[in-house]
Amino acid sequence: DSGVTQTPKHLITATGQRVTLRCSPRSGDLSVYWYQQSLDQGLQFLIQYYNGEERAKGNILERFSAQQFPDLHSELNLSSLELGDSALYFCASSLTPLETQYFGPGTRLLVL
Amino acid sequence: DAKTTQPNSMESNEEEPVHLPCNHSTISGTDYIHWYRQLPSQGPEYVIHGLTSNVNNRMASLAIAEDRKSSTLILHRATLRDAAVYYCIPLSTGVNYGGSQGNLIFGKGTKLSVKP
Repeated sequence: DSGVTQTPKHLITATGQRVTLRCSPRSGDLSVYWYQQSLDQGLQFLIQYYNGEERAKGNILERFSAQQFPDLHSELNLSSLELGDSALYFCASSLTPLETQYFGPGTRLLVL
Repeated sequence: DAKTTQPNSMESNEEEPVHLPCNHSTISGTDYIHWYRQLPSQGPEYVIHGLTSNVNNRMASLAIAEDRKSSTLILHRATLRDAAVYYCIPLSTGVNYGGSQGNLIFGKGTKLSVKP
């Protein structure tokens, strides 16, 4: 158990819908990262937050947004969902952006 | 970001040592070499990291070439639980937190199979 929790574990929705994925980092960690893992693209970095501020963006679509709240939990919002958004979404946390990252168990999203 | 090359797959027998190679010829002087692994149906898990010297921890050893263009992750006695995809990731660790420092750029990794 890494100490990072993600909810929900599974999510099934339809195209065009909007979903919110939630992540609670390890106690004391200030940095949160979101990654997407699909069969064709592998593991891809989406976005990083540090102490509530966005620090870096990777291959995150404009339909996707995220935020880190004052209590340091983070949410990833996916809107106008497409079939191709079906993937595993992982959240990771670290004490600072330079420290070891600890990954959650992931949320499996299926868009039908 | 530094590019890495790893074998697509490797096989090992249980209780034998495993050497997982990684080429990272474009690595910069401030990039640490991190290894993560992903067990089936789980999130990635940190294994080990190093800069120039060889490193050991309870999970594995990391041998880094003198020119830093390659490294080898060593599992001293593979177990069935070590079957996973292993990723070698150069990671920029400058003194400030700006930019993309700290973000993991995953390649395809090496899928390790362990036979009983």
